[in-house]
Amino acid sequence: QVQLQQSGAELAKPGSSVKISCKASGYTFTSYYISWIKQTTGQGLEYIGYINTGSGGTNYNEKFKGKATLTVDKSSSTAFMQLSSLTPDDSAVYYCARERKNYYYSGGVMDAWGQGASVTVSS
Amino acid sequence: DVVLTQTPVSLLISLGGQASISCRSSQSLVHSNGNTYLHWYLQKPGQSPQLLIYQVSNRFSGIPDRFSGSGSGTDFTLKISRVEPEDLGVYYCLQRTHNPYTFGAGTKLELK
Repeated sequence: QVQLQQSGAELAKPGSSVKISCKASGYTFTSYYISWIKQTTGQGLEYIGYINTGSGGTNYNEKFKGKATLTVDKSSSTAFMQLSSLTPDDSAVYYCARERKNYYYSGGVMDAWGQGASVTVSS
Repeated sequence: DVVLTQTPVSLLISLGGQASISCRSSQSLVHSNGNTYLHWYLQKPGQSPQLLIYQVSNRFSGIPDRFSGSGSGTDFTLKISRVEPEDLGVYYCLQRTHNPYTFGAGTKLELK
């Protein structure tokens, strides 16, 4: 079955970086994009961006440019998101999700999600 | 950015009852290609969001026909008939017509 397994909780200091992983299984990795979504109590769900797992091309929400960097390792079917220059506002649960390609037909629908990775930024 | 306003914020429903959730957009969600990219998700307690409905009215694989989506332009509705215990959680709409893609704030479905 389709699974997206994310890395564990992170506790980081302000100004540092963290890198979250999302390992896919149960489907052909490069047949779907991987999207990333931030969830906080205050701001709800926010779309960060997606990565084309085949080409490595990316598309970011302007708000997260410079904050999030999306990469992929096809050999291990794993996507990564690095968050840099962390502040307390980056404390959140971050989800990866599988996104169907061919936007015209799919509307970029995200049809499977990881379990979420909690990031806490505190000194 | 497109703002999606979901109402009500919370909904108290009896088992077997019907629930209706509205998602209103600050601008039309009809894409220049003619399609409307409005999707619905359910986040059950302690879980990740799961896809229910895509492109307004298409049920995702395995989603029972108790769930139905409708609407056009700026006004969309998710209806849940014969509510069951596993339907409880927070429902979100998501628009993927305009960048940046945005979610509604959510509607919490609880049992009366």
